[in-house]
Amino acid sequence: NAGVTQTPKFRILKIGQSMTLQCTQDMNHNYMYWYRQDPGMGLKLIYYSVGAGITDKGEVPNGYNVSRSTTEDFPLRLELAAPSQTSVYFCASSYGRSVSYEQYFGPGTRLTVT
Amino acid sequence: QKEVEQDPGPLSVPEGAIVSLNCTYSNSAFQYFMWYRQYSRKGPELLMYTYSSGNKEDGRFTAQVDKSSKYISLFIRDSQPSDSATYLCAMRIRAGGTSYGKLTFGQGTILTVHP
Repeated sequence: NAGVTQTPKFRILKIGQSMTLQCTQDMNHNYMYWYRQDPGMGLKLIYYSVGAGITDKGEVPNGYNVSRSTTEDFPLRLELAAPSQTSVYFCASSYGRSVSYEQYFGPGTRLTVT
Repeated sequence: QKEVEQDPGPLSVPEGAIVSLNCTYSNSAFQYFMWYRQYSRKGPELLMYTYSSGNKEDGRFTAQVDKSSKYISLFIRDSQPSDSATYLCAMRIRAGGTSYGKLTFGQGTILTVHP
């Protein structure tokens, strides 16, 4: 199993551009999450999904959109990129029926908006 | 007030030292407590997980939860240079109903163990 994979690893965007961060998991997990991590700030939840076709906002959803058409994929869309979206983005997944709800993280996408 | 507070450090210790990492929290509904380890430029990975109060040991690592004080700790014995990483505490309420296993993370503590 590859686990959770994310592409691209790095990206530089100009202000106002748009892009999609890709996330795929091969563990048949029903729950998936997008986080952003800023220095010294821990992980903030952007959006989450409890299954294909079901998504909802987390703590910091403004400026982002998501979709979940399959169990495996959970892309994050940035529209009109702003410098405040410079961050490291992590996708994670978990098996909803697990007692621990352990979340498995991808390697991250480092995004710079200039 | 943040729901979860963690001293960001950085913390630098010599090899072989005992390390204590701590988090405090304000939400008394938290019942599951986790420690994630994150190596530089990698995603976090689950290190330990405990339910409610008490201790849990796994090799050189011990996780401790004191719900009465809303305080959790991670102890690392005989620390090694390979333990150098950022350690994030995370916690969640009891799952069920519309819960989706949402985790609330601390800010992370940067630990360096030097030879």
